[in-house]
Amino acid sequence: QITLKESGPTLVKPTQTLTLTCTFSGFSLSTSGVSVAWVRQPPGKAPECLAVIYWDDDRRYGPSLKSRLTITKDTSKNQVVLRMTNMDPVDTATYYCVHRPPHADPFDYWGQGTLVTVSS
Amino acid sequence: QSVLTQPSSVSGAPGQRVTISCAGSSSNIGAHYDVHWYQQLPGTAPKLLIYDDTKRPSGVPDRFSGSKSGTSASLAITGLQAEDEANYYCQSYDRSLNYWVFGGGTKLTVL
Repeated sequence: QITLKESGPTLVKPTQTLTLTCTFSGFSLSTSGVSVAWVRQPPGKAPECLAVIYWDDDRRYGPSLKSRLTITKDTSKNQVVLRMTNMDPVDTATYYCVHRPPHADPFDYWGQGTLVTVSS
Repeated sequence: QSVLTQPSSVSGAPGQRVTISCAGSSSNIGAHYDVHWYQQLPGTAPKLLIYDDTKRPSGVPDRFSGSKSGTSASLAITGLQAEDEANYYCQSYDRSLNYWVFGGGTKLTVL
């Protein structure tokens, strides 16, 4: 059974750096083809894929936010970490950690999400 | 503005059939990239509903079906039920952006 859970601050100030941790179970990020993504969803809006990290440590970032994002993994701890710099109130959203199956495209298992509010 | 365009809302009575469209371009759906659909019930995370254009994950009722033609895709729901009231999102890959993209979402109301 694949499960993912996000953890991190619920409130950050403008200009601060957000660090979110995804702890997962039921799969290994060392399995060929597997990837984990961070997807965010502002209130009332559509999801947006922020970053994806693959089993081989390949990383992909959303074009509009690439300069602010860093995604890393710790395979031994079954964790994926997202770092987003220079937070702004428009970054207020629910942030999801999502599993993607080996060598496949869809986002098939989602964490429950964590709401991050950016406010002074 | 989303790369994939969906109607903001659709509605139907219980038992009816509704369809939700997802209009793309030659950079995404028209380039033969797979389309996936997600259902998001109020207050919950999105759930994969249809993948690879037409396939249903285990546990998804066969009332839900997907199709694709040209630069567009559609999600059909037959035998509409009150529990189907949710937001629905399409998703694909865009080769111009070289990244994954979501539609703007469609709110389904069961009358």
